[in-house]
Amino acid sequence: GAGVSQSPSNKVTEKGKDVELRCDPISGHTALYWYRQSLGQGLEFLIYFQGNSAPDKSGLPSDRFSAERTGGSVSTLTIQRTQQEDSAVYLCASRQGGTAFFGQGTRLTVV
Amino acid sequence: TQLLEQSPQFLSIQEGENLTVYCNSSSVFSSLQWYRQEPGEGPVLLVTVVTGGEVKKLKRLTFQFGDARKDSSLHITAAQPGDTGLYLCAGAGTYKYIFGTGTRLKVLA
Repeated sequence: GAGVSQSPSNKVTEKGKDVELRCDPISGHTALYWYRQSLGQGLEFLIYFQGNSAPDKSGLPSDRFSAERTGGSVSTLTIQRTQQEDSAVYLCASRQGGTAFFGQGTRLTVV
Repeated sequence: TQLLEQSPQFLSIQEGENLTVYCNSSSVFSSLQWYRQEPGEGPVLLVTVVTGGEVKKLKRLTFQFGDARKDSSLHITAAQPGDTGLYLCAGAGTYKYIFGTGTRLKVLA
């Protein structure tokens, strides 16, 4: 596609439910990142995928968070048993060479 | 842990004024990028600087990378309301981008 696409754009969920966030990177980009941005704040690194290498999961805040990338393309970030502190904008970016391109993000609200 | 501190955190100025935003770290980065983010959107890349001491200009925006590649600045000349947004610096490590704390700029007409 022309850019990084994320879905849904907004998600409201009840505390304790599981959610899945999707990222479609730019075609051909081998690197994919997930970041979390709390209201008005900078970006917090969550996870990084590069080709077929094992992902860097060092930024995932707890074992309730997981992510996968199928076929080196689409990625899904899953949050299990959501908590109110999980409320944030989740941003995905893909990179080829030196520039990372971001999607518009998924705004997650846990009520 | 690599950290990037930005200052100021918030800045509200009148149209036509000049401003400088700083991005500082104790770590060396292979390159540094500046992004601008508007509400409801993802960050959009403005510039990448890779060489210590490098200066890049993008219309009214001037970006400088410190000689030691640990810090950077963004200078805006004659700010306009369209410059309003969240400015983020990001340092590139081995492969991971470390983002700064952000500077929220508001330019009043």
